[in-house]
Amino acid sequence: QSALTQPPSASGSPGQSVTISCTGTSSDFGAYDYVSWYQRHPGKAPQLMIYEVNKRPSGVPDRFSGSKSGNTASLTVSGLQAEDEADYYCSSYVGSNNFWVFGGGTKLTVL
Amino acid sequence: QLQLQESGPGLVKPSETLSLTCTVSGGSIRGSSYYWGWIRQPPGKGLEWIGSVYHSGNTSYNPSLKSRVIISADTSKNQVSLKLTSVTAADTAIYYCARVIVYGGHSGDYWGQGTLVSVSS
Repeated sequence: QSALTQPPSASGSPGQSVTISCTGTSSDFGAYDYVSWYQRHPGKAPQLMIYEVNKRPSGVPDRFSGSKSGNTASLTVSGLQAEDEADYYCSSYVGSNNFWVFGGGTKLTVL
Repeated sequence: QLQLQESGPGLVKPSETLSLTCTVSGGSIRGSSYYWGWIRQPPGKGLEWIGSVYHSGNTSYNPSLKSRVIISADTSKNQVSLKLTSVTAADTAIYYCARVIVYGGHSGDYWGQGTLVSVSS
């Protein structure tokens, strides 16, 4: 069982917005706002989409945004495109011993 | 462009040691602003943090695996290695290596494609 809880699936039509939640406890998120989101297409390397809750690495479309409220982090994908269909994982850096915890992953389907 | 490639046996027998190597190209494993992590994903399950290593050799491990894991860095070969002892079927997983940036919220900005390791007799 993963430390962080994500819905197993999410879906939306092209052009729509979808939000994926990631829920944990205060200890799961630690003393930092170091929540990351990763996109993984089948057979491909995971790609960092969001770090430090709401920051985008260069090259990641601004359709992807992150937020956090209390013990729930969220990833929103706006203007859904077919290429966004993938698995998404949240992660939190807990702090002690460079330890990460992950969510179980959400399969995003573009209808 | 930094590239990471995991390599090692795809099949390991129960009770034996799983050994994987992550070869880094397009950049050096040395650096104070990042370190190197191993993550795995068992079939049908989520991602699990195994542990990490700095180029200096400083390591940290998931407490649930700590007694069986050794992660090391070889700066001369630009490689990071993972050894997991006394494996069982529960260790069957896709194993990933990743570069973790300290000043980016300790996030993994580069990942390998992963390598599937099955534990079976």
